[in-house]
Amino acid sequence: EIVLTQSPGTLSLSPGERATLSCRASQSVSSTYLAWYQQKPGQAPRLVIYSASNRATGIPDRFSGSGSGTDFTLTISRLEPEDFAVYYCQQFGTSPPMYTFGQGTKLEIK
Amino acid sequence: QLQLQESGPGLVKPSETLSVTCTVSGGSISSSSSYYWGWIRQPPGKGLEWIGTIYYSGSTYYNPSLTSRLTISVDTSKNQFSLRLSSVTAADTAVYYCARRGVTRYFDYWGQGTLVTVSS
Repeated sequence: EIVLTQSPGTLSLSPGERATLSCRASQSVSSTYLAWYQQKPGQAPRLVIYSASNRATGIPDRFSGSGSGTDFTLTISRLEPEDFAVYYCQQFGTSPPMYTFGQGTKLEIK
Repeated sequence: QLQLQESGPGLVKPSETLSVTCTVSGGSISSSSSYYWGWIRQPPGKGLEWIGTIYYSGSTYYNPSLTSRLTISVDTSKNQFSLRLSSVTAADTAVYYCARRGVTRYFDYWGQGTLVTVSS
């Protein structure tokens, strides 16, 4: 089973700043099967990035994803007030076939 | 616009079976060969855990940690899929989400979630 470790656990930044969130896998992950989600309190997760670098429908271009192998990054270029939330990475692995999520990074207003 | 809506009991006693149903509207659960349908849960204040996924034909795959207690089924005539988890304990207390799984194994449409509490 592939384990995803996100860092930092909490990131405190101000609106307008750049956010860099990390997701590290315990073994190599296919970029095709790496996604990022945003979750606000009391809401369901919202898909932000799929296949490591593709923005989901309706996601602004200040969000970008990159990475390959075991290291992936979600970058928010200029934080807006609505971006403060918890972010999860997720991967699909084939042996065994299953999905795993990282433990999340909380992006909070400084 | 595709919408998913969970319905569940709210409260289940320990050792009993938890059942949650997801009703899909705005599209057919069997309309595309590209999509699977999944369950994900989130204990209060904690992260996300994938439970299992089903295709409209009934083909399933489950989280290995839950396989012995888990059944996921689909009813295409009602445009629904369901989760049954047996022998529940307090550790199964969570918000249960249903979601659509897209082509490259992401979950793009989610229900609002339903909280199921396991308590006597």
